[in-house]
Amino acid sequence: DSGVTQTPKHLITATGQRVTLRCSPRSGDLSVYWYQQSLDQGLQFLIQYYNGEERAKGNILERFSAQQFPDLHSELNLSSLELGDSALYFCASSVRINTEAFFGQGTRLTVV
Amino acid sequence: DAKTTQPNSMESNEEEPVHLPCNHSTISGTDYIHWYRQLPSQGPEYVIHGLTSNVNNRMASLAIAEDRKSSTLILHRATLRDAAVYYCILRVPNSGGSNYKLTFGKGTLLTVNP
Repeated sequence: DSGVTQTPKHLITATGQRVTLRCSPRSGDLSVYWYQQSLDQGLQFLIQYYNGEERAKGNILERFSAQQFPDLHSELNLSSLELGDSALYFCASSVRINTEAFFGQGTRLTVV
Repeated sequence: DAKTTQPNSMESNEEEPVHLPCNHSTISGTDYIHWYRQLPSQGPEYVIHGLTSNVNNRMASLAIAEDRKSSTLILHRATLRDAAVYYCILRVPNSGGSNYKLTFGKGTLLTVNP
């Protein structure tokens, strides 16, 4: 158990809908990362926050957004969902921005 | 971004040592070498990291070449539970050092035979 909690574990939704994925980092970790993993793309970095501030953006679509709250948990919002958004979404956290990251078990999103 | 090159796949036998190579010829002086692994149906798991010197922890050893252009992750006695995709990653600071990217490549799929 990495100490990073992601909810829900599984999510099935229809095209065009909006969903919110939640991540609780390890206690004391200030940095949160979001990744998307699909079969053909591997692990793609989406976005990173540090103590509530956005620090880095990767291949994140405009339909996706994220935030990190004062209690350090983070949410990834996915809207106008398409079939191609079906993937595993991982959250990771680290104490600081340059230390090892610990990943959650992921949320499997299926868009039908 | 500084890139790494790993073999697509490797095989090992149970209880034998495994040496997983990684080339990173464009590494710069401030880039840390990180290794993660991903077991089937799980999130990536941190294994080890280093800068210049060889490193050991309870999971593995990391041997870093003197010129830092390559490194090797060593699993001393492979078990069936070590079957996973192993990622070698350079943790690169941005200009100003305010952030460090953690970008995954395709990794090496390690198969462990009983």
